[in-house]
Amino acid sequence: DGGITQSPKYLFRKEGQNVTLSCEQNLNHDAMYWYRQDPGQGLRLIYYSQIVNDFQKGDIAEGYSVSREKKESFPLTVTSAQKNPTAFYLCASRDRGQVGELFFGEGSRLTVL
Amino acid sequence: GIQVEQSPPDLILQEGANSTLRCNFSDSVNNLQWFHQNPWGQLINLFYIPSGTKQNGRLSATTVATERYSLLYISSSQTTDSGVYFCAVEPWAGGSYIPTFGRGTSLIVHP
Repeated sequence: DGGITQSPKYLFRKEGQNVTLSCEQNLNHDAMYWYRQDPGQGLRLIYYSQIVNDFQKGDIAEGYSVSREKKESFPLTVTSAQKNPTAFYLCASRDRGQVGELFFGEGSRLTVL
Repeated sequence: GIQVEQSPPDLILQEGANSTLRCNFSDSVNNLQWFHQNPWGQLINLFYIPSGTKQNGRLSATTVATERYSLLYISSSQTTDSGVYFCAVEPWAGGSYIPTFGRGTSLIVHP
């Protein structure tokens, strides 16, 4: 089945630890996105990538890092510099960077203790 | 940046009722999508609708890009329609179209 797979679905970490969230897609999509969602809020863009080996900061990139070494993979690292990392993280992709429907994975819920 | 306002923020319906959700945006956009976020958090695509009207079963959507709004209609609502509905618009920003989300409309449908 084609789709976007995020892992892990749930993650608990202690303060001060870096955490990497995985996002893999087998849809052959060019563009990939990371969003953060807090309770009762909309989605805010962290990073996006229109093509392999290139990515851009979104509205709330501070404390996060990404890489795009392969077309199908766009991992997100939540670093210890992120002041309030507990949130629901959603990865999305679409076929062409400028147009077309956005499709989402099932999300990863990160809790920092 | 662009402002995306969704209304109402909360909506409670009895099963079988109809409803209209609205998405207003403050600038010209290239694309617009409606999503339903289910209780497990996943976003389900409802409509990709940069302009015009589309229908899918009990749901339909209309976007009037020149007047900067979109409407999502839900007819004969069912309990499975419960969840949060988001619109996402795409303004041009620094060389790319970036999907920007509203804060959503939270819908509860009672049996």
